[in-house]
Amino acid sequence: ETGVTQSPTHLIKTRGQQVTLRCSSQSGHNTVSWYQQALGQGPQFIFQYYREEENGRGNFPPRFSGLQFPNYSSELNVNALELDDSALYLCASSLDQVAHTEAFFGQGTRLTVV
Amino acid sequence: AQSVTQPDIHITVSEGASLELRCNYSYGATPYLFWYVQSPGQGLQLLLKYFSGDTLVQGIKGFEAEFKRSQSSFNLRKPSVHWSDAAEYFCAVGVSNTGNQFYFGTGTSLTVIP
Repeated sequence: ETGVTQSPTHLIKTRGQQVTLRCSSQSGHNTVSWYQQALGQGPQFIFQYYREEENGRGNFPPRFSGLQFPNYSSELNVNALELDDSALYLCASSLDQVAHTEAFFGQGTRLTVV
Repeated sequence: AQSVTQPDIHITVSEGASLELRCNYSYGATPYLFWYVQSPGQGLQLLLKYFSGDTLVQGIKGFEAEFKRSQSSFNLRKPSVHWSDAAEYFCAVGVSNTGNQFYFGTGTSLTVIP
């Protein structure tokens, strides 16, 4: 158990719909990152939030957006879902945004787009 | 650009045999290097990390890794594999000063046979 909780665990959506995934970070962790892991691939960095501000973004289109709340929990929103968005979405939390602090990953949300 | 290569997609070893998983990275500065393990349906668990200093790092579950700057490698080793080590292993490079932003390799799937 890492203390990072993601919900829901599984989700099925239709192409074109919108989805919101949630992440509750480990107590006291103010930095959250989101990753997309397609089947058979390594996780790909979507973006990072630090103290409610976006602080780094990977190569994902603007229809991938996020929020971080004052309690440091986070949401990932994906608009206009495409079939290729089907993946495991992971969030990772850490204390501060310095690279040497350990990141703790949640168990992920499995999104299927049909 | 940062990148991580794991040349072996799948490796099979006998229980009790030694293990080495290969990882090569490309990064402009001194890298922060990590190995994570992922069991089916689970998130990522940190095995070990390298930031600086001793190039041989020890991790959990009896794993170790050696950083070789001249070869841009960070190979993971274990002297005697246990059946419970069967999982997916990911090497990652951390982007300095940005917390939990990682570039992951595509992973190596480990099968352990009795």
